[in-house]
Amino acid sequence: SQTIHQWPATLVQPVGSPLSLECTVEGTSNPNLYWYRQAAGRGLQLLFYSVGIGQISSEVPQNLSASRPQDRQFILSSKKLLLSDSGFYLCAWSVPRNRKETQYFGPGTRLLVL
Amino acid sequence: RKEVEQDPGPFNVPEGATVAFNCTYSNSASQSFFWYRQDCRKEPKLLMSVYSSGNEDGRFTAQLNRASQYISLLIRDSKLSDSATYLCVVNSRAGNNRKLIWGLGTSLAVNP
Repeated sequence: SQTIHQWPATLVQPVGSPLSLECTVEGTSNPNLYWYRQAAGRGLQLLFYSVGIGQISSEVPQNLSASRPQDRQFILSSKKLLLSDSGFYLCAWSVPRNRKETQYFGPGTRLLVL
Repeated sequence: RKEVEQDPGPFNVPEGATVAFNCTYSNSASQSFFWYRQDCRKEPKLLMSVYSSGNEDGRFTAQLNRASQYISLLIRDSKLSDSATYLCVVNSRAGNNRKLIWGLGTSLAVNP
């Protein structure tokens, strides 16, 4: 069966510090991968998605970036965090070319920027 | 108009009650519809996909009305463990890209 891992679970970082969040998927090959952010009291906002190694699509302009160095690894980064980057970061995967496009989520990373 | 709209609630119901949520979507070309459940400070989890003919999974029934562009979720015999936020999700085609559009969620509290 497929599993998705994210770490760390929680993170407190000062403004201006760098960020690296990692997501890995097991039990599937060539998944579509997604990074979402959920701010307090707000809905899920798609940040990036990837259909393959090195292929990243950005949904919103921001100071975040994403990379997919391996088939089942997706990394979210920032060189300098802003207060507004605080939120709940969720990684998700879906079966490629699946018409239903059902997405399955990892446990998330709760980030607080102070 | 938002792409996916839900009544935020909260819906406060007693155990055993029947409760229904509606969700409207703006893109008539949408083909996939889902209900997810999100517990406090947890990740969303798929509750059920919504099919054109409607579908049922135990105490949960989902319906799709394409003409009026809304989907619904009915929960019968509510349990305390049903307390959560229910997210309506619709796919959206933008050029060659497909992505899911998420509603803000409807909060349900089932009380003893």
